Amino acid sequence: DIQMTQSPSSLSASLGDRVTITCRASQSISNYLNWYQQKPGKAPKVLIYAASSFESGVPSRFTGSGSGTDFTLTIRGLQPEDFATYYCQQSYSSPFTFGPGTTVDIK
Amino acid sequence: QVQLQESGPGLVKPSQTLSLTCNVSGDSISSGDDYWSWIRQPPGKGLEWIGYIYYTGSTFYNPAFKSRVTISPDTSKNQFSLKLTSMTATDTAVYYCVRVRIERGYDPFDFWGPGILVTVSS
Repeated sequence: DIQMTQSPSSLSASLGDRVTITCRASQSISNYLNWYQQKPGKAPKVLIYAASSFESGVPSRFTGSGSGTDFTLTIRGLQPEDFATYYCQQSYSSPFTFGPGTTVDIK
Repeated sequence: QVQLQESGPGLVKPSQTLSLTCNVSGDSISSGDDYWSWIRQPPGKGLEWIGYIYYTGSTFYNPAFKSRVTISPDTSKNQFSLKLTSMTATDTAVYYCVRVRIERGYDPFDFWGPGILVTVSS
């Protein structure tokens, strides 16, 4: 199985901040990497697919980059609704695995 | 708008079989454009993919569950279901049914049900 790791596991940030979350795969997954946002008590929501492609309706302040084993999700200008947990997920090979999550909370 | 809704018991006894159903509206599970999946999340923990089904009946399972899991379609009702045998306390989780958009292999999980909490306890 491909193992996914994320760093940091949590971070505190202020409104308007730029936030960067890193995801690393245990082997190369090209750009088969998706990002999700999950708020407490809710189902996850896809933000980015194919490492850098925007999901319809997602604000442009969310951007993804990377390929191979290292990926980043950047949020530019943090908004109140962005405080949540973020997961990366590889779709390169079965079983499709998720990172452990990064929680973004209010400083 | 695509909507998914899980249904089934919230409490299962150890060693029993969990049976969940996902009702889909706004899309057809027979369209061939998507896979239909189950993902679970233990309380306070991360996400775990269980498996998915294509409308043809082809299934793809996480090997961690392969001996215990069955996902099957009911195209007449536009539903699909999950059966997980030999439940233990470690199977306590929120279970989500999810649409997987077939997108050149990137296949994001793009529509999720609200989830159903299943507790395994005697």
